[in-house]
Amino acid sequence: NAGVTQTPKFQVLKTGQSMTLQCAQDMNHEYMSWYRQDPGMGLRLIHYSVGAGITDQGEVPNGYNVSRSTTEDFPLRLLSAAPSQTSVYFCASTRDSGNTIYFGEGSWLTVV
Amino acid sequence: LAKTTQPISMDSYEGQEVNITCSHNNIATNDYITWYQQFPSQGPRFIIQGYKTKVTNEVASLFIPADRKSSTLSLPRVSLSDTAVYYCLVGDGDGGTSYGKLTFGQGTILTVHP
Repeated sequence: NAGVTQTPKFQVLKTGQSMTLQCAQDMNHEYMSWYRQDPGMGLRLIHYSVGAGITDQGEVPNGYNVSRSTTEDFPLRLLSAAPSQTSVYFCASTRDSGNTIYFGEGSWLTVV
Repeated sequence: LAKTTQPISMDSYEGQEVNITCSHNNIATNDYITWYQQFPSQGPRFIIQGYKTKVTNEVASLFIPADRKSSTLSLPRVSLSDTAVYYCLVGDGDGGTSYGKLTFGQGTILTVHP
């Protein structure tokens, strides 16, 4: 069982570059989300989706875009990377909001 | 959604029972209580979920008093490998309106000593 798969695991970007973090889940979950976790901090919600074609902003959406064209995929786009976006990014999915949330293994992003 | 409050950190020793309490004074009727565990460099993983009274699985127990304004995660006989961050989440199962409001907070850093 693949669960939630994130790529890449590690990435170094220069300030101003753009990139996309990929996330895919094979559990047919309707709900997906992206979190960022800074050192010593809890997870903060960036964007989330409650189904294909539906996305919404979380707590810290600025500088990020998402789309949900299929149930399986939920990519996160950094439009113009900034050093403040250096963080660990986690993608997650769940069948519905009251159920177990499954997380990917994380993507370590450094912006220099 | 209900705001949760947990201790920032706790220390224990191998073989001891550890109880981590989470306060959620504004919990709603439909809200479930879920605990997650996060090891360094990994995503959080589900430990246990409950609605009321007591729930037990192979990893932990969850105690929820009648008023449901708090919950206690109990880890029996901890080992060094239980050193992790533990998060308490409160949310309902009614669908999308609450999903975007689920917040993990800073969690409780549990350190188990030899």
